[in-house]
Amino acid sequence: EPEVTQTPSHQVTQMGQEVILRCVPISNHLYFYWYRQILGQKVEFLVSFYNNEISEKSEIFDDQFSVERPDGSNFTLKIRSTKLEDSAMYFCASRTDGRGEQFFGPGTRLTVL
Amino acid sequence: RKEVEQDPGPFNVPEGATVAFNCTYSNSASQSFFWYRQDCRKEPKLLMSVYSSGNEDGRFTAQLNRASQYISLLIRDSKLSDSATYLCVVNLAGRRALTFGSGTRLQVQP
Repeated sequence: EPEVTQTPSHQVTQMGQEVILRCVPISNHLYFYWYRQILGQKVEFLVSFYNNEISEKSEIFDDQFSVERPDGSNFTLKIRSTKLEDSAMYFCASRTDGRGEQFFGPGTRLTVL
Repeated sequence: RKEVEQDPGPFNVPEGATVAFNCTYSNSASQSFFWYRQDCRKEPKLLMSVYSSGNEDGRFTAQLNRASQYISLLIRDSKLSDSATYLCVVNLAGRRALTFGSGTRLQVQP
């Protein structure tokens, strides 16, 4: 069964460093998403991406964040200068159309020291 | 008011019990409704979509009341493997993003 994959599974970084989280969505999916979940809190939407551009973003997704689909298979989330409060689980999701089920990847645990 | 509100629990029930979770949402323009399941430190996985007429999938029954902006999930004959956090999830009209509740934790005990 096709699945969303994410790398790395765990990333540890120093405050102020740049990180890139990688996702490979399911191959025939057209809509891509990033969510985050701070430990003990709810899942929060960050950004959605369709047709090679951002279609929606939340107030969390400020200028420190960017997304890219560099090669038609990978979908990346970059955090330019990490803060302690960026420590969270980051989930990538994809779906075939705008309304179908969103399939989530296993997540990347980001720890900012 | 929170966009999606759930009782955090935990609900501790014995195997075989029936348990019900409730969820309310604040935006009447909400269009699609789901229950997701999340195991500890894992990704959310779709349990079932929720339709206006109500729907059932094996031991799981979901109900939607648009007038009261209320969604429910009923689990019959609880199994140990049902232990997880159940997330109420809403898709607002005109938005692609999912809005998650904080989840209700279920612990099924032998």
